[in-house]
Amino acid sequence: AIQLTQSPSSLSASVGDRVTITCRASQGIATALTWYQQKPGKAPRLLIYDASILESGVPSRFSGTGSGTDFTLTISSLQPEDFATYFCQQFIGSPFTFGGGTKVEIK
Amino acid sequence: QVQLQESGPGLVKPSETVSLTCTVSGDSITNNNYIWAWVRQPPGKGLEWIGTISSRGTTYYNPSLKSRVTISVDTSKNQFSLRLSSVTAADTAVHYCVGLFGAGRPRFWGQGTLVTVSP
Repeated sequence: AIQLTQSPSSLSASVGDRVTITCRASQGIATALTWYQQKPGKAPRLLIYDASILESGVPSRFSGTGSGTDFTLTISSLQPEDFATYFCQQFIGSPFTFGGGTKVEIK
Repeated sequence: QVQLQESGPGLVKPSETVSLTCTVSGDSITNNNYIWAWVRQPPGKGLEWIGTISSRGTTYYNPSLKSRVTISVDTSKNQFSLRLSSVTAADTAVHYCVGLFGAGRPRFWGQGTLVTVSP
């Protein structure tokens, strides 16, 4: 199975900060990567698919880049509602695996 | 806007089979634009993809669960279902039903239903 390693596993940041989360795949996955945001007790929310395409309704401060094995999710200016856990997921290898998550906390 | 709602028993005994249903509203489950899926999340842990079913009934299962999982569609009720057999405590998790608007785009999620496996 393709392993996805997210880093960091957690981070503390302030409102207005630029935040970058990375997701590294154990083998090349082209651009078959999705990013989610999850808040406690809620279902994941799709942010970005195909590595860089912003889902409809998602604020433009979220962006995704990468292809092959290395991917990043960037929040350009962190807002209070962005404090959550973020997951990546690959959609090319069986099974479709998730990263371990990155918890973004208030500094 | 597509909405999904899971239903099923909250508590199941070890070795039993659990059945969950996802009711789809806002569009037809037979719409070829969608792929339907189940994802689970043990309490406090990460996400696990269980499997998918297309509008035509083609299924894909996580190999780690394949021997115990069946996903099916009931077009008359606009529902799809998950059956997981021989459950153990390791199957305790919040189970989400998901609607993918194309491959790799899990756009619609149910609120999730907790299945607890306990004697």
